Amino acid sequence: EAQVTQNPRYLITVTGKKLTVTCSQNMNHEYMSWYRQDPGLGLRQIYYSMNVEVTDKGDVPEGYKVSRKEKRNFPLILESPSPNQTSLYFCASSLQPRSGELFFGEGSRLTVL
Amino acid sequence: AQSVSQHNHHVILSEAASLELGCNYSYGGTVNLFWYVQYPGQHLQLLLKYFSGDPLVKGIKGFEAEFIKSKFSFNLRKPSVQWSDTAEYFCAVATGRRALTFGSGTRLQVQP
Repeated sequence: EAQVTQNPRYLITVTGKKLTVTCSQNMNHEYMSWYRQDPGLGLRQIYYSMNVEVTDKGDVPEGYKVSRKEKRNFPLILESPSPNQTSLYFCASSLQPRSGELFFGEGSRLTVL
Repeated sequence: AQSVSQHNHHVILSEAASLELGCNYSYGGTVNLFWYVQYPGQHLQLLLKYFSGDPLVKGIKGFEAEFIKSKFSFNLRKPSVQWSDTAEYFCAVATGRRALTFGSGTRLQVQP
């Protein structure tokens, strides 16, 4: 089954404690992206990757890092989380980014205390 | 940079009422347009898309949208909503490398 898998789905952590949210897709998509969803703000892009070893900043990259060492994986790293990073995070992938047809993961709800 | 505006933030309708959700974008070049739906507790799913051709596009579950280039609009419509249409709806624009730019979303609540 074609899917985008994120882990963890739910996480409560404290300020400053490094965490990683994993994302894996099994569709051989070259394009992957991370979004955060906040009430009234819709989805905002954090980082995206056109292919292995190619990553670029989105609209709200501050406080986040990503890596793309393999085609299927695109982890999101919060080196020193802060409360304003409390949000719902979605990973997405696409065969052709301009097609806009994104496949989304189930989401990861992160709370930073 | 492109942007997407959804003017209705929260819409409440009774079952069988007609629906129209507004979406306007700002970008001068060629765009691909989308509506995504997010049912409660779920991830986003593609509802319909417009790339070119007939400006009236039909999607799943009886939804349709009309692209009006002169107005930079891509409004979503459904003649008769059901309780199961309760969800959040996002308009989105794709113009290049970064894939989609999303609007802020419209929360639709359908009352039985």
